[in-house]
Amino acid sequence: SQQGEEDPQALSIQEGENATMNCSYKTSINNLQWYRQNSGRGLVHLILIRSNEREKHSGRLRVTLDTSKKSSSLLITASRAADTASYFCATVLSGNTPLVFGKGTRLSVIA
Amino acid sequence: DVKVTQSSRYLVKRTGEKVFLECVQDMDHENMFWYRQDPGLGLRLIYFSYDVKMKEKGDIPEGYSVSREKKERFSLILESASTNQTSMYLCASSSPGQGAPYEQYFGPGTRLTVT
Repeated sequence: SQQGEEDPQALSIQEGENATMNCSYKTSINNLQWYRQNSGRGLVHLILIRSNEREKHSGRLRVTLDTSKKSSSLLITASRAADTASYFCATVLSGNTPLVFGKGTRLSVIA
Repeated sequence: DVKVTQSSRYLVKRTGEKVFLECVQDMDHENMFWYRQDPGLGLRLIYFSYDVKMKEKGDIPEGYSVSREKKERFSLILESASTNQTSMYLCASSSPGQGAPYEQYFGPGTRLTVT
């Protein structure tokens, strides 16, 4: 069952621009995580935000969480060609339960 | 550095063959997972395990089984491979954390083609 749904499905921007991806989910969560996947490879964890947090930063990444709207956004500032990848949000409902992944946003950064 | 390794990057098998996909992690993680990834469908959970000799069905367990005899190793078995099992298979591991699991660490994936 997929809970998270990313929007847009695909995004194409110029190098140096900011990229924003959104994730909506359906039920209450313990935390929400963002992952990146380069073409044909495994996923790499980017950032985790807990349900009692509203914003987190990591380098050029900024993640927000709005539990009242059941949504999260991932902002990548000053994008680079190397940021070209698929980005997935994953939610953790409660306890030691598996992550539930969305279908991802495919980001293309054009040099 | 956490490492999750998968036995093959690419695999080609014939319909009806028994297929073993191996996954090994070196972080002493309790949790291990098998996903398949298909275009337009995202990641779908096949099976997972929270401890040795323990297994739980995920969203799409039909046609698959798993084995976890040692904490670091989680095997996915296709009893009789079919063409609709052609896919990218991803293994992951995580620590259960405190109250909720921490991030998952993924292997590089095995692209399986069944002909």
